[in-house]
Amino acid sequence: GAVVSQHPSRVICKSGTSVKIECRSLDFQATTMFWYRQFPKQSLMLMATSNEGSKATYEQGVEKDKFLINHASLTLSTLTVTSAHPEDSSFYICSARVQRGDYEQYFGPGTRLTVT
Amino acid sequence: KQEVTQIPAALSVPEGENLVLNCSFTDSAIYNLQWFRQDPGKGLTSLLLIQSSQREQTSGRLNASLDKSSGRSTLYIAASQPGDSATYLCAVTNSNYQLIWGAGTKLIIKP
Repeated sequence: GAVVSQHPSRVICKSGTSVKIECRSLDFQATTMFWYRQFPKQSLMLMATSNEGSKATYEQGVEKDKFLINHASLTLSTLTVTSAHPEDSSFYICSARVQRGDYEQYFGPGTRLTVT
Repeated sequence: KQEVTQIPAALSVPEGENLVLNCSFTDSAIYNLQWFRQDPGKGLTSLLLIQSSQREQTSGRLNASLDKSSGRSTLYIAASQPGDSATYLCAVTNSNYQLIWGAGTKLIIKP
């Protein structure tokens, strides 16, 4: 149980275009989802916290107009990278939290974004 | 502000050895601590989760301990195998229910 999927797993896009990444909790409902990015050989950096039905909370330094997050249902959150630039190339990982006492997060397999 | 530190940053040991990875955190107000494994270019695999009220968790050849008062956790790997080679990440859930991550330890097990 507690499986999280991401789609696509890899995407290559041209500079200036927008890319949407989906994060789904397959066998549970997630009222809270998180989006992280990871640069090569670095740890994960939390970008934003997404609660179902409300606006996402962005971490300091993360541009909310560039990284649009929508959490329209209890099983789906999307991250849209708008007007992508090569510096947005990174590994994006989502997680979903089960609302129970241990607050464990379950992670998706990640999406490799390359902007050319 | 919670900070998580992992030492060493990299470790290379011969196959068969037992080893310990270290994780420390500055604020003891945590809900839990998790150890993850990440293979190159891949996502995360959750290894062990220790609740703040627990002292240790075991799964197969892995044993994780937690000393919340001193802000330390260790991940013990017994009888290491080449397949254990990966980056091991430690993360704590803070009072805002967010995961705060260490930078990881890159482990290489030499055949």
